[in-house]
Amino acid sequence: GAVVSQHPSRVICKSGTSVKIECRSLDFQATTMFWYRQFPKQSLMLMATSNEGSKATYEQGVEKDKFLINHASLTLSTLTVTSAHPEDSSFYICSAIRGANVLTFGAGSRLTVL
Amino acid sequence: KQEVTQIPAALSVPEGENLVLNCSFTDSAIYNLQWFRQDPGKGLTSLLLIQSSQREQTSGRLNASLDKSSGRSTLYIAASQPGDSATYLCAVRTITQGGSEKLVFGKGTKLTVNP
Repeated sequence: GAVVSQHPSRVICKSGTSVKIECRSLDFQATTMFWYRQFPKQSLMLMATSNEGSKATYEQGVEKDKFLINHASLTLSTLTVTSAHPEDSSFYICSAIRGANVLTFGAGSRLTVL
Repeated sequence: KQEVTQIPAALSVPEGENLVLNCSFTDSAIYNLQWFRQDPGKGLTSLLLIQSSQREQTSGRLNASLDKSSGRSTLYIAASQPGDSATYLCAVRTITQGGSEKLVFGKGTKLTVNP
């Protein structure tokens, strides 16, 4: 079946550094990918919609200059958290649309900013 | 291994009807359970979040219940409207003692509300 690989699964970084998270569709092409985050005891929330070859669409309240999204190919989208701070510590998960409307999710990435 | 099942896979109802969507999970050691809706080509929209210590949550015409011991959750939609037509997904979040976490999704129920 369709697989979305997300890497890394866990990352710990120092405050002020940048962290890149990759989301790959392994056996299908995804023109659209989505990035979500989930803070403790809160619901999973959509951050942005990533479209191959064009700029990402960000949800209200998500800083596009802080959360850089690149979707340069049909199988890879990356989320870079720039100048990360402790409040950016969260669980980040991506998903990709396969076929007509089937969402496939990555396993998620736990970011801890010290 | 946590598995999440949603029944039915598809549901078509006339406008105004009350309906129930079902979600079951195999491992009751969950951190929380969430219900989402997905419109075609769009990302998920969060509907309700139920912590493991809670039994239900309500938002407008939506009510979600959680029975951890039996591994079940239901999403009740009152007075359905055509705008409710979407795919509804439930997801359970687990966190192991070692700190690894997973978010496991069901395959969804595609709801069509006919005018």
